[in-house]
Amino acid sequence: AQSVAQPEDQVKVAEGNPLTVKCTYSVSGNPYLFWYVQYPNRGLQFLLKYITGDNLVKGSYGFEAEFNKSQTSFHLKKPSALVSDSALYFCAVRGLIGGSYIPTFGRGTSLIVHP
Amino acid sequence: EAQVTQNPRYLITVTGKKLTVTCSQNMNHEYMSWYRQDPGLGLRQIYYSMNVEVTDKGDVPEGYKVSRKEKRNFPLILESPSPNQTSLYFCASSRQGSEAFFGQGTRLTVV
Repeated sequence: AQSVAQPEDQVKVAEGNPLTVKCTYSVSGNPYLFWYVQYPNRGLQFLLKYITGDNLVKGSYGFEAEFNKSQTSFHLKKPSALVSDSALYFCAVRGLIGGSYIPTFGRGTSLIVHP
Repeated sequence: EAQVTQNPRYLITVTGKKLTVTCSQNMNHEYMSWYRQDPGLGLRQIYYSMNVEVTDKGDVPEGYKVSRKEKRNFPLILESPSPNQTSLYFCASSRQGSEAFFGQGTRLTVV
């Protein structure tokens, strides 16, 4: 079975400081990893993904994520947080189950960026 | 514009009254799925579909039905809604192994 863990329900950072939202995963075979963001009263929006290649992936709104195979982690990062980054962030993995790539989502991490 | 459209956005209904939440995508995606989002529980998959006439249960299928008669549509059916199905529902579509596109959500209240 595959799984995703987001160990922090909430992350608080000051505007201008770097932020990290953590994600670890468990999957058979090579993982497809994703980050999504959800603003209030909206659906989830895709931020970035890792399929293969460079372990550092750059995405929308200045976010990036680092794939670490040995630690089975895919932490989301941003060098300088903005108040407008405050939202709910979901990590997801797609692994091969029964011949199909089925996604599994983490529980989400609420990011609060204060002025 | 590429999008996933869910209707209705908001729905209040009574216990036992059958309802359908529609979902349509215009990207010719093979894969479609339904999720419910509840506080503290994140996103939980209800049903998914790999293609037309191919559907399978997700993590929380009890009390729900789906159908995939056409590639673009994937309706969620609650035959006899109960209060524990009060939740925020999302439909999503994607190509195999690729990122998902989500609808705007349907907030369902069952009284």
